[in-house]
Parts: sequence; structure tokens; C-alpha cells
Amino acid sequence: GNSVTQMEGPVTLSEEAFLTINCTYTATGYPSLFWYVQYPGEGLQLLLKATKADDKGSNKGFEATYRKETTSFHLEKGSVQVSDSAVYFCALNSGYSTLTFGKGTMLLVSP
Amino acid sequence: EAGVTQFPSHSVIEKGQTVTLRCDPISGHDNLYWYRRVMGKEIKFLLHFVKESKQDESGMPNNRFLAERTGGTYSTLKVQPAELEDSGVYFCASSQENGRGEKLFFGSGTQLSVL
Repeated sequence: GNSVTQMEGPVTLSEEAFLTINCTYTATGYPSLFWYVQYPGEGLQLLLKATKADDKGSNKGFEATYRKETTSFHLEKGSVQVSDSAVYFCALNSGYSTLTFGKGTMLLVSP
Repeated sequence: EAGVTQFPSHSVIEKGQTVTLRCDPISGHDNLYWYRRVMGKEIKFLLHFVKESKQDESGMPNNRFLAERTGGTYSTLKVQPAELEDSGVYFCASSQENGRGEKLFFGSGTQLSVL
């Protein structure tokens, strides 16, 4: 079956530091890959997506590249801000109606 | 435009009691999904409605969980009787199209604590 594995948190960084949150997946076929973010007190929001190999999704300074050869979709940001503090979820959709999520990684950014 | 709203935001109940969670999707969204995140684990799919019909309920953990969507508008998820392992955050999501991930809109969730 499908599964998503992402790095354990919390990840604690100082403002302007470089961020990487690792995500690897197992899936049948050619899934679409997503990063969702949950800010405190809010619902899950789509951060970025990639639908085929070598696609790069980007939004709000975050990027992730769909690597089929390593089955990975690592999230990166060059310079984090305090407002990026949130829980980040990697997810995939392999053509059915449901999403398969990872466990989530909490990011804490201090001034 | 209002987003997906869930009620209550928090619920604390004792083992054996009944709890009903409610989700109001975005107006016009035929597809409605329930997901659950147990502490420290993945967000797991529970079920999917298309209008008032259950399209997929393969994720429902057992028969203590009952979901309804009368009239194809809001949905309720009832847990009866609640057990300790039911504690977690219950998310609802809706979409106009059959849910490719980029078209899903999530609510902020209901935090359920069973003591």
C-alpha cells in the first residue's frame, strides 16, 4: 500500500536559517505529491504540489522537487521566518480520491 | 466565501459516552471527507461522501463510528460508545471535484479527548 515517511520533529531553527524537511514515499503507479501546512489554530492548507517526476513545486519561498529515482519530495526554504512556525505534512495521491499523509513535522522558528 | 467549518473545536468526554462532530463544507462542494490524526501518527482517511452517498468508507475503524450527510450538505460523525483510542483530531475536508489533493479545503479540526 501507499505510505509516506517524513522526518521526526520538532525542528527548531533561528530566523533566516535554511530549512529541510525530508519526505520519502512508497506508492503504486505515479502519485501526485503534496506538502500541506497547519498553522496554529487553523486547518490544513495546501502549500505546494508536484504531479510528475522532476516537477518542482514552490510557494511562499518553499520548494520541493519530485524525485522518482529516490522516491523523495523534500521540503526546503532558504531563509525561514518566525511566521513559518507550523506543522508540515507530506502527502501523496495515487489516483484515488484519498490522500495518504505522513506523521507531520513541527517547525519552530525563533527570532 | 466561508471555508470548511467544524464544530466543536474541542470535546472532552468520558469513555463510554457518545460524541457527535459536525462539518459544514464549502457551499456547492459535493465531495466531503473525514480524516483523523491520532497523536503522533499519520492523518488517516476515514470516509468520503459524494453528496449524501458514501463513496468510500474503507477507513472507518469500526462500527462505533457512524457518519451521515443528510441532504448532501453538512455531515456528522458520531462515535458511540467512545473509547480511549478514539482520541485525536478529526479533520473534515471538501472539494468541488473528486478530491485530487490540490482541490481539497480542510477545516481546522475537532480535538477529541476521551478520558
